[in-house]
Amino acid sequence: EPEVTQTPSHQVTQMGQEVILRCVPISNHLYFYWYRQILGQKVEFLVSFYNNEISEKSEIFDDQFSVERPDGSNFTLKIRSTKLEDSAMYFCASSDGQYVTGELFFGEGSRLTVL
Amino acid sequence: TQLLEQSPQFLSIQEGENLTVYCNSSSVFSSLQWYRQEPGEGPVLLVTVVTGGEVKKLKRLTFQFGDARKDSSLHITAAQPGDTGLYLCAPGWEYGNKLVFGAGTILRVKS
Repeated sequence: EPEVTQTPSHQVTQMGQEVILRCVPISNHLYFYWYRQILGQKVEFLVSFYNNEISEKSEIFDDQFSVERPDGSNFTLKIRSTKLEDSAMYFCASSDGQYVTGELFFGEGSRLTVL
Repeated sequence: TQLLEQSPQFLSIQEGENLTVYCNSSSVFSSLQWYRQEPGEGPVLLVTVVTGGEVKKLKRLTFQFGDARKDSSLHITAAQPGDTGLYLCAPGWEYGNKLVFGAGTILRVKS
C-alpha cells in the first residue's frame, strides 16, 4: 500500500541551527502539506503546496520556514534558525486533491527537539 | 478563532464500555472527516460524512453528521484497547487547500 515516508524520525538540534525535514509523498498525489503537533497539543496546519508553489500557509509559517520540492519525489520543510518553541512533531501529508471527500495521507512524523 | 469544539478533551474507560465523542461548530459544513491518531503515528482517516443526518458504521464505530451539518458524533461500542488514540474531526476542505483539525479527544481504553 502506498505511504508517505518521512526522514529523519527524530532530530536533535541546537537553537539557531538550520534543520531540513524530508518527506516522500505518495507518488500520484498532487497536493502536499506540513502539519505540526507540539507535545500534547493539537495538530496544526503549517503549509500546503501545489504545482510547485505554496497555496496556503498559516501564521505559524513565518519567514523562518520554507518548503521545496527539489525533485519529482521529495518534499522538504526547512527551518532556517530553530527556536526552542519549534520543538514538535512535524507531519508531512499528501492528497490527490479531490475536494469534499479527499483524504489526507500522513507520514509517521519527524520529531524535532531543539536544545 | 476556534472553528471546531471537540468534547470531551480526555476520556479514560474500561474495555467493553461504550462511549460517544462530539465535534461541534456554529458553522455549516459541506462535509466532515474523522481521523484517528495512534500514539507515535500520523492521523489516519476513519470516515467522511457528507449528507446532513447521515450515519456511517465502521465495525464498532458509528459516525453521525447532524441534520444541520454543524456537528458530528462518533460512538464506539464495546471499546477495546486498540481504540486508544486521539480522535480528530475536521471540516472537509472548507478553508481552501487545507484541513483544519479540532483539538481532538484523547481516548484511553484500559484492559
